Amino acid sequence: EIVMTQSPATLSVSPGERATLSCRASQSVSSNLAWYQQKPGQAPRLLIYGASTRATGIPARFSGSGSGTEFTLTISSLQSEDFAVYYCQQYNNWPPGAFGQGTKVEIK
Amino acid sequence: QLQLQESGSGLVKPSQTLSLTCAVSAGSFSSGDYSWSWIRQPPGKGLEWIGYIYHSGGTYYNPSLKSRVTISVDRSKNQFSLKLTSVTAADTAVYYCARAGYTPFDYWGQGTLVTVSS
Repeated sequence: EIVMTQSPATLSVSPGERATLSCRASQSVSSNLAWYQQKPGQAPRLLIYGASTRATGIPARFSGSGSGTEFTLTISSLQSEDFAVYYCQQYNNWPPGAFGQGTKVEIK
Repeated sequence: QLQLQESGSGLVKPSQTLSLTCAVSAGSFSSGDYSWSWIRQPPGKGLEWIGYIYHSGGTYYNPSLKSRVTISVDRSKNQFSLKLTSVTAADTAVYYCARAGYTPFDYWGQGTLVTVSS
């Protein structure tokens, strides 16, 4: 079973600053890695798939990189609506597609 | 725009069976290119994939829940359902239905909270 580990658990960032979130897989998942954003009381929203492809309608300030076991989600200039919890998910060995435990991006 | 809508009992007694349904708006439900999943999230915690079904009826369940889970499809109503037996307080969660296909979970329902309590 592949385990996904996200860091940090909480990231405090000022609006307009860059945020960098990490996700590590316990074994290679190639580029089969997705990122989701979840705001309180809402369902997760797909941001990135294939490690670096933005989903439909996702702003260009969101970018993903990495392959194998190390992945990064970067938000280039945080907007107020970006403060949320972010999850990574591998779908290389699917099912089941393991999710990370999440990174909360909060206002500094 | 595809829409998914969960419905079902919000309160289930311990040891009983949780039952939920996800209604899918017309469109891709009949396509064999997509799977239809249930995912849950305990309050304040992360996401756990429960299982999926294809329109054809093929299923796959998370091994950790397999002994208690059944997912079925009603093609005439464009919906699929979840049954989880022998529930405990640990099954209290928001339950989501979601679609996966060429991309991972790209459409989600809004979620429904199920509380297990006597």
